[in-house]
Amino acid sequence: DGGITQSPKYLFRKEGQNVTLSCEQNLNHDAMYWYRQDPGQGLRLIYYSQIVNDFQKGDIAEGYSVSREKKESFPLTVTSAQKNPTAFYLCASSNRPTGGTEAFFGQGTRLTVV
Amino acid sequence: DAKTTQPNSMESNEEEPVHLPCNHSTISGTDYIHWYRQLPSQGPEYVIHGLTSNVNNRMASLAIAEDRKSSTLILHRATLRDAAVYYCILIARNSGYALNFGKGTSLLVTP
Repeated sequence: DGGITQSPKYLFRKEGQNVTLSCEQNLNHDAMYWYRQDPGQGLRLIYYSQIVNDFQKGDIAEGYSVSREKKESFPLTVTSAQKNPTAFYLCASSNRPTGGTEAFFGQGTRLTVV
Repeated sequence: DAKTTQPNSMESNEEEPVHLPCNHSTISGTDYIHWYRQLPSQGPEYVIHGLTSNVNNRMASLAIAEDRKSSTLILHRATLRDAAVYYCILIARNSGYALNFGKGTSLLVTP
């Protein structure tokens, strides 16, 4: 089935460790996005990429890094510089970044840092 | 970036129509209006989008004001499965067409 896959669903890490969240899509979409959601809040944009080998910072990029080496993959690294990394992370993709097409979301990764 | 304003919460009876309002008074001419909904602990789900004209699909209808400064998502017959947070979002070229979520409207559907 076509879709967008995030793994793992739950992730636990010790404070001070970097951790990479996976996001893969087989929809042949050009654009991919990473969001963070805290309890009771809306989604906040971390990074986005409109084409391979290019990406831009969103509203809350500090403490995060991304890469876009392949069209279908957009991994997010939560670094030790991120002060409050515990959150629900969502990845999305869309066909063309024009505003006229829908975005598809993964089921999210819930990261807990202890 | 253009912002949207939605009520924090709304309540509806099952099988009745629901009108979810959204104000976006600073919308520019090229901004698309998108609606998504999110169930607890799940990723958002696309509902509908439009630019200038009213739109219908199998899930809902989108009514856009003539001046485009407001829009209304219409669920024709609410079911218990429609209980979710509904987000009204403007997609703008100058933000890379990324979805910028506000807090949305939490819809409660009662039997």
